Amino acid sequence: DTGVSQDPRHKITKRGQNVTFRCDPISEHNRLYWYRQTLGQGPEFLTYFQNEAQLEKSRLLSDRFSAERPKGSFSTLEIQRTEQGDSAMYLCASSPGQGGYGYTFGSGTRLTVV
Amino acid sequence: DAKTTQPPSMDCAEGRAANLPCNHSTISGNEYVYWYRQIHSQGPQYIIHGLKNNETNEMASLIITEDRKSSTLILPHATLRDTAVYYCIVRTNQAGTALIFGKGTTLSVSS
Repeated sequence: DTGVSQDPRHKITKRGQNVTFRCDPISEHNRLYWYRQTLGQGPEFLTYFQNEAQLEKSRLLSDRFSAERPKGSFSTLEIQRTEQGDSAMYLCASSPGQGGYGYTFGSGTRLTVV
Repeated sequence: DAKTTQPPSMDCAEGRAANLPCNHSTISGNEYVYWYRQIHSQGPQYIIHGLKNNETNEMASLIITEDRKSSTLILPHATLRDTAVYYCIVRTNQAGTALIFGKGTTLSVSS
């Protein structure tokens, strides 16, 4: 297992279009997190899954955002009707649930909305 | 989770020790101090964590004051590859609790 994989690495889309990102966590990790990071800021928590259950969503996750983790494996993050303010790096992390040191992050998907 | 305060930026000469401070004056008794770093265009990477004792691993050392209100991350011999944003985070060890990042400290190592 080579770590957390995210696809695509870069995405450019026109305002109003829908986009979907994929995250493949470390196979034995049952917890999966999505973060968003804008320039000059630290990553901001969006949502968290334990297996297939979405257990927490931040207020940043507007109704245009939806995340799924079918069968507790990979996860997708979809943004509908994209806006320029959605331009950011979207990071995925997974953990075995034993504390903060167990987090492994992917390299992220950079979204640019034009 | 308690909040942390870090300087926005620091410089260090290659080969010298880099000492990155973090204030967490409102830390609770069951909260740990975690350090992550983020190299440009990559996701954050775990460095080290501790509760109240000093800790050392192959990457760094963590010194926590006796009152636990502050800590220092030490990179003993900084290299150019240590140039990154360093985040100090305090949180409990409760499974599933999300890491909450601040703005961190941008460490620039120069030759």
